[in-house]
Amino acid sequence: GAVVSQHPSRVICKSGTSVKIECRSLDFQATTMFWYRQFPKQSLMLMATSNEGSKATYEQGVEKDKFLINHASLTLSTLTVTSAHPEDSSFYICSASRDRANSPLHFGNGTRLTVT
Amino acid sequence: AQSVSQHNHHVILSEAASLELGCNYSYGGTVNLFWYVQYPGQHLQLLLKYFSGDPLVKGIKGFEAEFIKSKFSFNLRKPSVQWSDTAEYFCAVNPYNQGGKLIFGQGTELSVKP
Repeated sequence: GAVVSQHPSRVICKSGTSVKIECRSLDFQATTMFWYRQFPKQSLMLMATSNEGSKATYEQGVEKDKFLINHASLTLSTLTVTSAHPEDSSFYICSASRDRANSPLHFGNGTRLTVT
Repeated sequence: AQSVSQHNHHVILSEAASLELGCNYSYGGTVNLFWYVQYPGQHLQLLLKYFSGDPLVKGIKGFEAEFIKSKFSFNLRKPSVQWSDTAEYFCAVNPYNQGGKLIFGQGTELSVKP
């Protein structure tokens, strides 16, 4: 079945540094990928919608200059957390959709980011 | 604003008890509906989904859910839970004209006592 791979699964970085998280669709072309953030004991909040070849669409309240999203190919989207701060520590999850009409059914394993 | 509400934050059951987790959404148009499960330390997995047709949908591991359009509800049920069902359960809604965007409920933590 379709698989979405997310890398790294866990990262620890120092305040002020940038971290890149990759989301790959392994056996299908994903025209759309989604980035979610999950705080401890809370639900997933959509951060942005990433469309291949165009700018990402960010949800209200999400800083696009801080969370840079690049969807350079049909199988890869990256989320870069720039100038990370401890409050950015969270669980980041991507999901991928095979086409724009259908809902995403495939989630990555998530990336646990800890900023010290 | 579009939202999804799960009524129970934490449910504790004994094995073999019946389960019903509530989910209501606020959106007037056509929606696709989902239930996801997240076992401790694992990623989200799809339990079941509703796109159209029979409003009673069956998913994996004996779970089912019923879409009641008039009540904007999509409650999850299981007749007899097992200890292995201990997990976090998320209801999610995809407004039909918004691509693959999912709006998640707050989640319900289910603890099943052996």
